[in-house]
Amino acid sequence: EDQVTQSPEALRLQEGESSSLNCSYTVSGLRGLFWYRQDPGKGPEFLFTLYSAGEEKEKERLKATLTKKESFLHITAPKPEDSATYLCAVQSLANAGNMLTFGGGTRLMVKP
Amino acid sequence: DSGVTQTPKHLITATGQRVTLRCSPRSGDLSVYWYQQSLDQGLQFLIQYYNGEERAKGNILERFSAQQFPDLHSELNLSSLELGDSALYFCASSARPQAGTTYTGELFFGEGSRLTVL
Repeated sequence: EDQVTQSPEALRLQEGESSSLNCSYTVSGLRGLFWYRQDPGKGPEFLFTLYSAGEEKEKERLKATLTKKESFLHITAPKPEDSATYLCAVQSLANAGNMLTFGGGTRLMVKP
Repeated sequence: DSGVTQTPKHLITATGQRVTLRCSPRSGDLSVYWYQQSLDQGLQFLIQYYNGEERAKGNILERFSAQQFPDLHSELNLSSLELGDSALYFCASSARPQAGTTYTGELFFGEGSRLTVL
């Protein structure tokens, strides 16, 4: 069974204080690892897909990296508008469909 | 705006009742997914349909059922509702891989239907 664990559950940062979110996973053949952002009362919004260990993707202040067992979402000099819940998910080669298995998320709060 | 439309946005009902949630996928997307999000369980996959046929099944209760119609919209039916069924129900759709483009496997989520069972 695919499993995704995210840590920490919640993270408070001061504006400009860089940090990283962790996503540990076990999967029967990784098709892709996904990062989503979710604002309160909204649906998850796609950020990145990573396919293989060593891959990195960047978007503005966010950078996602992938190893064989975990992924990190690095946030550089965050701003208050980066406050959201960040979700990690995996897609398995063993599944017939393209379903995603999500972790519990990290709730990020950035204070000005 | 993801292009995925869900109705209703909010629904309040009583235990034992039945409700239907509706989802219209993005134009051209053949796959529809249903997810349940509750405070203690996170986002849980329920079921996927592809072009009208069931493709994958997750932790969907027997009291719940879904279908995808010829026009590709989907409905999730929840019956004999219990207090624990209170949650946000999300629909998502995904694009079909196109030749010559990188397939991201991205799911596009709607804004959800918030179900409250009293």
